[in-house]
Amino acid sequence: GDSVTQMEGPVTLSEEAFLTINCTYTATGYPSLFWYVQYPGEGLQLLLKATKADDKGSNKGFEATYRKETTSFHLEKGSVQVSDSAVYFCALSGGTGGFKTIFGAGTRLFVKA
Amino acid sequence: EPEVTQTPSHQVTQMGQEVILHCVPISNHLYFYWYRQILGQKVEFLVSFYNNEISEKSEIFDDQFSVERPDGSNFTLKIRSTKLEDSAMYFCASRKQGAGTEAFFGQGTRLTVV
Repeated sequence: GDSVTQMEGPVTLSEEAFLTINCTYTATGYPSLFWYVQYPGEGLQLLLKATKADDKGSNKGFEATYRKETTSFHLEKGSVQVSDSAVYFCALSGGTGGFKTIFGAGTRLFVKA
Repeated sequence: EPEVTQTPSHQVTQMGQEVILHCVPISNHLYFYWYRQILGQKVEFLVSFYNNEISEKSEIFDDQFSVERPDGSNFTLKIRSTKLEDSAMYFCASRKQGAGTEAFFGQGTRLTVV
């Protein structure tokens, strides 16, 4: 079935460092891809999405490009802030698994001042 | 901005008791979901609901679980006889029609079974 694999955390960075969180997926068909963020004690918020190959999703300085040839959707940010500390989930929907959202395990990011 | 609302934010219950978790999805959305997240673990799909019936459920969603949309605005998850291992954060989500649309999640209900 459909699945999402993302790099294990935690990831610890200093403020203004470059961030990459790797995400790969397994799905047939044409899934949509998402990054959700969960700040401490809060729910899941959509960070960005891409609905077809080569689309780039972006929001709040984060971006990710839907790469069908490598089945990847890596999250990047050029300069992280302490306020970016959170858990980041890569997810997909619309593949063979239907329209439920299938999540990766999550990657915890700590940003130090 | 419209949002998915869940109540209560935290529920403590004794093992064997029934609990009902409440959700108000976004009003023009047609697909409704429940997920759970055991502390520190991944977010797991429980059930999807469309057109007043369950459209898909996971292995976790056994006979102890049920969902209902009693009045056209609320969407509830009932756990009939709670077990210690049901302790988790439960998220409700809704989505409007159309491929490529994302699910909007509520803030979650933290269920603690003691």
